[in-house]
Amino acid sequence: AQSVTQLDSHVSVSEGTPVLLRCNYSSSYSPSLFWYVQHPNKGLQLLLKYTSAATLVKGINGFEAEFKKSETSFHLTKPSAHMSDAAEYFCVVSDLAGGSYIPTFGRGTSLIVHP
Amino acid sequence: DGGITQSPKYLFRKEGQNVTLSCEQNLNHDAMYWYRQDPGQGLRLIYYSQIVNDFQKGDIAEGYSVSREKKESFPLTVTSAQKNPTAFYLCASSMGQNYNEQFFGPGTRLTVL
Repeated sequence: AQSVTQLDSHVSVSEGTPVLLRCNYSSSYSPSLFWYVQHPNKGLQLLLKYTSAATLVKGINGFEAEFKKSETSFHLTKPSAHMSDAAEYFCVVSDLAGGSYIPTFGRGTSLIVHP
Repeated sequence: DGGITQSPKYLFRKEGQNVTLSCEQNLNHDAMYWYRQDPGQGLRLIYYSQIVNDFQKGDIAEGYSVSREKKESFPLTVTSAQKNPTAFYLCASSMGQNYNEQFFGPGTRLTVL
């Protein structure tokens, strides 16, 4: 069975400093991994995805994530936080367990950006 | 202008009433999903449908029902059997059974009075 753990429920950074949001996954198959962002009272927007190509994945708004199979991790990073990055971030894993791709969402990490 | 629409944005209902949330997509996606979001719990899958006239229960289907009579529409009914229906509901779609990224609607906030 697949599962995903977001290691921090809240992350607080100052504007202009690096962002690190941590995600570990468990999967019996070669998984697809995703990061989504959600601003308050909005739907989710895809930031980036890993689907067995390059292990370093670049996304929108300067975010990137590295797939590390040996560590079963897919941490999200950004070199310099902007105030507009303040939002909820979800890590998602999906594999073919059970015969169909049904994604599993982490509980989310709230990113707080201080001026 | 392709996308997913959900209506209404805010919905209020009295206890004991059924209510139907609308979800429409014009992306020509085969798969559609309904999630419930509560603070600190991420997204929990209620129902999903991979083709028209077929749908499967997710992790928290009790007290909910769906239909998929058309490819572009996947309405969710919250029945009176759902004991704690106040939540934010999100609809999503994806291209097909080989999972691609999901596209989400803006959500409907349901409040039971």
